Amino acid sequence: DAKTTQPPSMDCAEGRAANLPCNHSTISGNEYVYWYRQIHSQGPQYIIHGLKNNETNEMASLIITEDRKSSTLILPHATLRDTAVYYCIVRVRDNYGQNFVFGPGTRLSVLP
Amino acid sequence: GAVVSQHPSWVICKSGTSVKIECRSLDFQATTMFWYRQFPKQSLMLMATSNEGSKATYEQGVEKDKFLINHASLTLSTLTVTSAHPEDSSFYICSASGTYGYTFGSGTRLTVV
Repeated sequence: DAKTTQPPSMDCAEGRAANLPCNHSTISGNEYVYWYRQIHSQGPQYIIHGLKNNETNEMASLIITEDRKSSTLILPHATLRDTAVYYCIVRVRDNYGQNFVFGPGTRLSVLP
Repeated sequence: GAVVSQHPSWVICKSGTSVKIECRSLDFQATTMFWYRQFPKQSLMLMATSNEGSKATYEQGVEKDKFLINHASLTLSTLTVTSAHPEDSSFYICSASGTYGYTFGSGTRLTVV
């Protein structure tokens, strides 16, 4: 699976959009970009995933660059409960015999 | 949606005793489950891969005789920490893969005193 690079930490004001970047310059054509988050002392929570088109769901939007070498997770209106570590992972989809490999992620702090 | 239930959420045990952690897929069948360990301020590290009806595959450096994994059914995998020591204190998380993709349990905080 391709390696990802994320900033170690970010701050965001409550109510503002949080934009979390991820670099994945060695991504393969069949690898998807997944985002999970982990709130303190909980298991990781799925947020969103995509291949090459931008995606949006009730939690977030995922913007993937045309060359697919980087992406941005957008939380449109961050709340205090969005404070968590966010993990960007790239991997082949539906490879259920393969685990997720977690990097250090980005620690997002939403400030009041 | 797919739900993975992990129990207990926290446990304190005495050094030398064994502790069993359960991971259940509630509304789907999980042919493969993964067990992770997370130390404070660190990321999740894979310990082992558990396949229903077969022996678990352990990552390098993880003692298979200390961390016993049983995946006897398509909805249940258990991790038993045998002869626990204070250095085994950690946050243990399971993940299940099935037709709904990947889902993680809520984790078990193990403290060995």
